Amino acid sequence: GNSVTQMEGPVTLSEEAFLTINCTYTATGYPSLFWYVQYPGEGLQLLLKATKADDKGSNKGFEATYRKETTSFHLEKGSVQVSDSAVYFCALGNFNKFYFGSGTKLNVKP
Amino acid sequence: DGGITQSPKYLFRKEGQNVTLSCEQNLNHDAMYWYRQDPGQGLRLIYYSQIVNDFQKGDIAEGYSVSREKKESFPLTVTSAQKNPTAFYLCASSIAAGGGTEAFFGQGTRLTVV
Repeated sequence: GNSVTQMEGPVTLSEEAFLTINCTYTATGYPSLFWYVQYPGEGLQLLLKATKADDKGSNKGFEATYRKETTSFHLEKGSVQVSDSAVYFCALGNFNKFYFGSGTKLNVKP
Repeated sequence: DGGITQSPKYLFRKEGQNVTLSCEQNLNHDAMYWYRQDPGQGLRLIYYSQIVNDFQKGDIAEGYSVSREKKESFPLTVTSAQKNPTAFYLCASSIAAGGGTEAFFGQGTRLTVV
């Protein structure tokens, strides 16, 4: 079947620290992979995506590489800001559906 | 601007009442989805629709109903059979169901049973 597992939070970092949020997946076929961000009381916004193995998605300083051999899509950012505080969801799209991880809350302190 | 509009933003329901959550998109997307989000948890799929006049149950469809009479509209009814309806409800759409295209989300409706 299809599923996504991501590291539990909350993750608390100081401003300018390096961020990694781990995400692994199980899927049949050739899924697309996504990272979404959710701010309090709002819907999800697409942060980045990758549609095939070895693709790297990037946006606003965030990056993630689609690793088929390790079934992973870890989110990284070299220097986080207070404004990056939010909940981050890893997701995969396969056939007719999207599957989401449980979300990782990131708190960035000034 | 193109996007997905959910209304209302906040909704209060009395025990035993049915309520309908609205979702409208002007992105010309074929596929639409309803998710439920509980505090500190991920998204659980309630129903999805790939084309007009067709929809499928997701993982937690019991106590919910939908219709897809128009491409741009996918309303969700929370019936009195849903025993724990208090949650944040998110509607989404995509160009085609799954595949390489991403899902676009509305701003959500927070439903509270009073």
